[in-house]
Amino acid sequence: GAGVSQSPRYKVAKRGQDVALRCDPISGHVSLFWYQQALGQGPEFLTYFQNEAQLDKSGLPSDRFFAERPEGSVSTLKIQRTQQEDSAVYLCASSLTDILGSTEAFFGQGTRLTVV
Amino acid sequence: GENVEQHPSTLSVQEGDSAVIKCTYSDSASNYFPWYKQELGKRPQLIIDIRSNVGEKKDQRIAVTLNKTAKHFSLHITETQPEDSAVYFCAASGPGGSYIPTFGRGTSLIVHP
Repeated sequence: GAGVSQSPRYKVAKRGQDVALRCDPISGHVSLFWYQQALGQGPEFLTYFQNEAQLDKSGLPSDRFFAERPEGSVSTLKIQRTQQEDSAVYLCASSLTDILGSTEAFFGQGTRLTVV
Repeated sequence: GENVEQHPSTLSVQEGDSAVIKCTYSDSASNYFPWYKQELGKRPQLIIDIRSNVGEKKDQRIAVTLNKTAKHFSLHITETQPEDSAVYFCAASGPGGSYIPTFGRGTSLIVHP
């Protein structure tokens, strides 16, 4: 596809359930970011991949959160034993890297997770 | 790490007026400053960006200014239209933060017809 694709768009999970959120970045984009966006707030950084390497996971709120990008393309964000405070929109973004370092990050439409 | 502050959180203007949103950043090494527009229920989309080697950039009714000394940058929208109503986010990135964009908390812009 032409843009970043995320699935599912909506997920309702019972408290304690495990969930997996998928991100298909734009083909050829080296950098991939996961953000958490609470209602009425800005995107909060969770983790960053450069190709298959997870270079920064400092934003993951607890060890219940795990992300991977095994082949340097599709990424999965997994949340174990979900809790109500995990309810948010999870945004994935991808970007090229260039000699200037930063380029436009293209966002997916997000996965809205509701934990009940 | 980088910290980005954004003001105001809400901005209400009449159609045709100008709107200004301001952001400050903390990391003097940051060198890339994008602005995103997010309509309700949709993905954030880039509307304009600026690098630290320039002080101002314009694209039709939208302009961004950057003051590296003061570490602040602003979004200016002229001749606002109802379709400009959305949430706007500023961000900053650079080598100090591994080029990971840090976002402000957003400004909800409401343009009244």
